[in-house]
Amino acid sequence: DAGVTQSPTHLIKTRGQHVTLRCSPISGHKSVSWYQQVLGQGPQFIFQYYEKEERGRGNFPDRFSARQFPNYSSELNVNALLLGDSALYLCASSLGGTGAYGYTFGSGTRLTVV
Amino acid sequence: TQLLEQSPQFLSIQEGENLTVYCNSSSVFSSLQWYRQEPGEGPVLLVTVVTGGEVKKLKRLTFQFGDARKDSSLHITAAQPGDTGLYLCAGALGRLAFGKGNQVVVIP
Repeated sequence: DAGVTQSPTHLIKTRGQHVTLRCSPISGHKSVSWYQQVLGQGPQFIFQYYEKEERGRGNFPDRFSARQFPNYSSELNVNALLLGDSALYLCASSLGGTGAYGYTFGSGTRLTVV
Repeated sequence: TQLLEQSPQFLSIQEGENLTVYCNSSSVFSSLQWYRQEPGEGPVLLVTVVTGGEVKKLKRLTFQFGDARKDSSLHITAAQPGDTGLYLCAGALGRLAFGKGNQVVVIP
């Protein structure tokens, strides 16, 4: 079984541009969460989707948006990129909506904004 | 504001030594999860602890959840170079709240 897959693996964008990151959860997992991890920090929660509905949103500006598709894959969109958006973006999936028993993470997308 | 404080932030030890790292919070969690992350990779789940006072063992790794479900510790016995990595604790509050991590380096 494939794990959580994220694409692209690396991305370089210019300030002000827009970016779309993609995630495919483990087969059968209905919950997808997005996290941002900057160097030297733990991952910070951005969004959670369960059964195609937004279940939670972290403390991120409206430039960040996401959605979940009928096949449970997900996209994270970031508009008007800032230098400070440079980070590793992680997608995690879980079977249920609470994730109380653990998440499976993808390898992430490394976004560099120049 | 970090909900979870991990200490020490960085630890370097010789192969064969023991080590303990800590994860503390003022919040109560329904569960606490430990992950290990290597450079350029996503975190990998090691264990989930749910019950206050719970102790779980994973080979040479021992995880303990505090009685009040606010803190946890990870003890590694006879550390090996393969144990090198960033150890992250995360509290489950519907979403995961992560600490900054314990960077562990085991020198051969």
